[in-house]
Amino acid sequence: ETVLTQSPATLSLSPGERATLSCRASQSVSSYLAWYQQKPGQAPRLLIYDASNRAPGIPARFSGSGSGTDFTLTISSLEPEDFAVYYCQQRSNWPVTFGQGTRLEIK
Amino acid sequence: EVQLVESGGGLVQPGGSLRLSCAASGFTISSYWMHWVRQAPGKGLVWVSRINSDGSSTGYADSVKGRFTISRDNAKNTLYLQMNSLRAEDTAVYYCARDSYSGCYDSWGQGTLVTVSS
Repeated sequence: ETVLTQSPATLSLSPGERATLSCRASQSVSSYLAWYQQKPGQAPRLLIYDASNRAPGIPARFSGSGSGTDFTLTISSLEPEDFAVYYCQQRSNWPVTFGQGTRLEIK
Repeated sequence: EVQLVESGGGLVQPGGSLRLSCAASGFTISSYWMHWVRQAPGKGLVWVSRINSDGSSTGYADSVKGRFTISRDNAKNTLYLQMNSLRAEDTAVYYCARDSYSGCYDSWGQGTLVTVSS
């Protein structure tokens, strides 16, 4: 199966700073990569699909890039509500797999 | 408003069975592939199973193949997961999720907790 490795495991930043989260695939997933945000006690929320497309209602401060095996989620200026766990997910290769998550915490 | 509501979770002994349901509202599930994703306590997300729009094709993670069965009743707008021969490692919150046509999940339920323990 395609292993997705997210880094860093934890990212400590302050509101207003820029966040850069990485997701690396063990084999090419083309552009079939999505990003989700999950807050404690809540279901995941789709942020980005097909590597760079924002889902409806997602603020413009969230952006995604990459293709093949290396992907990045960027949050341009952190808001207090952005501190959460972020997961990447690929659907290019069977089975669907998720990364282990990056926890974005307030510094 | 699109909504998915899971039910049927609970405490079950190893080797036991449970049937999860996911009731959809605000959209017609017959137009979508649907999935189950689980999350063990304090852990990440793991895909479990999927079913196509009319129920003619299903898929399973290796860890549940032969034990879990996904199904749907489009007339009731409801998705199911029959879980047999449950193991401690099946303990998790189970989410149903709608496939957005892009192979990613644009709507999720709130989850239902399954605990397998004696």
